[in-house]
Amino acid sequence: KAGVTQTPRYLIKTRGQQVTLSCSPISGHRSVSWYQQTPGQGLQFLFEYFSETQRNKGNFPGRFSGRQFSNSRSEMNVSTLELGDSALYLCASSLYTSGGTDTQYFGPGTRLTVL
Amino acid sequence: SQQGEEDPQALSIQEGENATMNCSYKTSINNLQWYRQNSGRGLVHLILIRSNEREKHSGRLRVTLDTSKKSSSLLITASRAADTASYFCASGTYKYIFGTGTRLKVLA
Repeated sequence: KAGVTQTPRYLIKTRGQQVTLSCSPISGHRSVSWYQQTPGQGLQFLFEYFSETQRNKGNFPGRFSGRQFSNSRSEMNVSTLELGDSALYLCASSLYTSGGTDTQYFGPGTRLTVL
Repeated sequence: SQQGEEDPQALSIQEGENATMNCSYKTSINNLQWYRQNSGRGLVHLILIRSNEREKHSGRLRVTLDTSKKSSSLLITASRAADTASYFCASGTYKYIFGTGTRLKVLA
């Protein structure tokens, strides 16, 4: 079974631009979560989608948004990029069968650099 | 702020030695998981321990969970150079909060 895939793997943008990152979950997984990882803040939860609905959200500004499609693929968008948005963005998928936390399987991440 | 805190932040050992990492969390959990990350890449799931379990083994890994102390430990036995990575615990009820991580370096 193929793992979680993320595209693109690397991205360079300038301040003020916007960016869209894509995540394809493991086949059959219905929940997709996004995380931002920086050296200073570590791994921080952005949001989680299940059945095309945002179920949980972290403490990030409204510039960070996401969506999930009917095939469970997810995208996240960051508008008006700031230097501090430079990070590794990780996507994780899970079955989410129990209503609680299930094992999350991570993709390789997208390395975003904002100049 | 991070819910989980790993201790130590960094650990350097010789190949063949055991490595122990600890994790503390703040709120009630359904389960706790440990992940490994190699040099800024994706996280690899290592082991999940449920809140009603006290100990779990997987190969060279042994995880314990003490819900009364809100803490967990990960033991890697007979470490190898390939175990060099950052290790994170993740805990929560409906979403995971990751700890700060322990950077393990295994010297050959």
